[in-house]
Amino acid sequence: DAKTTQPPSMDCAEGRAANLPCNHSTISGNEYVYWYRQIHSQGPQYIIHGLKNNETNEMASLIITEDRKSSTLILPHATLRDTAVYYCIVRLTGFQKLVFGTGTRLLVSP
Amino acid sequence: EAQVTQNPRYLITVTGKKLTVTCSQNMNHEYMSWYRQDPGLGLRQIYYSMNVEVTDKGDVPEGYKVSRKEKRNFPLILESPSPNQTSLYFCASRPQGQDYGYTFGSGTRLTVV
Repeated sequence: DAKTTQPPSMDCAEGRAANLPCNHSTISGNEYVYWYRQIHSQGPQYIIHGLKNNETNEMASLIITEDRKSSTLILPHATLRDTAVYYCIVRLTGFQKLVFGTGTRLLVSP
Repeated sequence: EAQVTQNPRYLITVTGKKLTVTCSQNMNHEYMSWYRQDPGLGLRQIYYSMNVEVTDKGDVPEGYKVSRKEKRNFPLILESPSPNQTSLYFCASRPQGQDYGYTFGSGTRLTVV
């Protein structure tokens, strides 16, 4: 799996968009970008994934650069409940293992 | 409700006393996996299973056993627990087809004294 780099922490005001960056410069052509989050010590929660096109679901949007070396997870209107550690994971789809790095700790404040 | 259920949520035990942490999913998922989470080390895979009677080691399998006799259940067995197995454990599952991500359980916090 390709290595990812994320900032250790970010702050966001409630109601504003949270943009979480991830660098994955060694990603290979058939590796996907996945995002999970972990709220406190709960089980990680799948958010979204993509290969090269931008993706959107009810939780978030994923923007992947054209060269696929970086991506951004966007929470369009962050709430206090979005405070969590966000993990960017790059891997082959269907592959068994998730390799979690240290993630980004997002703090959403009133 | 579709979910992965782990039991117990909390467990304190003594060194050497065999224990089992149960994991059950109601989504008919083929793939199941166990992870442990430790401060500074993140989440690491212990074992995984691709279907009934098919299991394989992850990154940190030492001291653990698993079985997959039924599709819905994937218990984690510690035959002789030691203090270095004190950790937060998560079970996860996903379907074999489209990889829309794993569903994780709520976790089991194990303390071995």
